[in-house]
Amino acid sequence: NAGVTQTPKFQVLKTGQSMTLQCAQDMNHNSMYWYRQDPGMGLRLIYYSASEGTTDKGEVPNGYNVSRLNKREFSLRLESAAPSQTSVYFCASSEAVVQGTDTQYFGPGTRLTVL
Amino acid sequence: AQSVTQLGSHVSVSEGALVLLRCNYSSSVPPYLFWYVQYPNQGLQLLLKYTTGATLVKGINGFEAEFKKSETSFHLTKPSAHMSDAAEYFCAVSDRGFQKLVFGTGTRLLVSP
Repeated sequence: NAGVTQTPKFQVLKTGQSMTLQCAQDMNHNSMYWYRQDPGMGLRLIYYSASEGTTDKGEVPNGYNVSRLNKREFSLRLESAAPSQTSVYFCASSEAVVQGTDTQYFGPGTRLTVL
Repeated sequence: AQSVTQLGSHVSVSEGALVLLRCNYSSSVPPYLFWYVQYPNQGLQLLLKYTTGATLVKGINGFEAEFKKSETSFHLTKPSAHMSDAAEYFCAVSDRGFQKLVFGTGTRLLVSP
C-alpha cells in the first residue's frame, strides 16, 4: 500500500505559468482534500471532494481549480500562478464512514515556489 | 465557525521531561478533536482523536490528551520526552456532520539532550 502519493515533489514556476498537482490514493477512500501549509498559519483547506463526482470550496479556493478524476485521483490546478501561491501543498484522503470523525491520511507534499 | 488556538509556536523540553502542548477550541456544538504530528519534510499523521466516550484519549508513541468541555481544551501530554518526538504538532477540530478539519497554527517541539 503506497497510501497517498503526490507528484511532483518540488516545482518552480514563473508568475503566470500554469501547472497541475497530482494526487492518488490506493485505500479506496471516498473523500479527498487539498491543503496548503504556510509558516505560522497551519494547514488551510483549499478544496475537498466528499465523494467521487463532487467537489466543494474550502477556506482558500481563489486561484485554484480541482478535478476528481475518479475515486482514486484528485488533482489541483493553478491556472495562472502568483507568488502568493508559493507554499507546500498536501493532499489527504479519508474513508468518510461517519462524517467528521474520520482520520485523514496525508501525502508527502509538493513544495511549490512561484517566482 | 469552529476554530482552534495553540498556545506557543515553539516548546522546548529536555529529554525525559514532561511534554505539554496546549490546544483550546471554539465550537458551537460538541466537536471532534484531533492531534496530528508532522516530522521534518513529511506529511501529517494522526496521533490521536476524540470523538465520543472516554475523555482521556491515548495515542501512538506514548502521547495522550484529555477533552475538557468546561475548559474547551484538548491538551496533548507525554510523561517523558524522547529525542524522536521533535516535530511539529497540530491540533484540529471538525464539527459533527462535516468532513472538514480546521487546523491550529502548530507547535514545534524541540527536545534537547
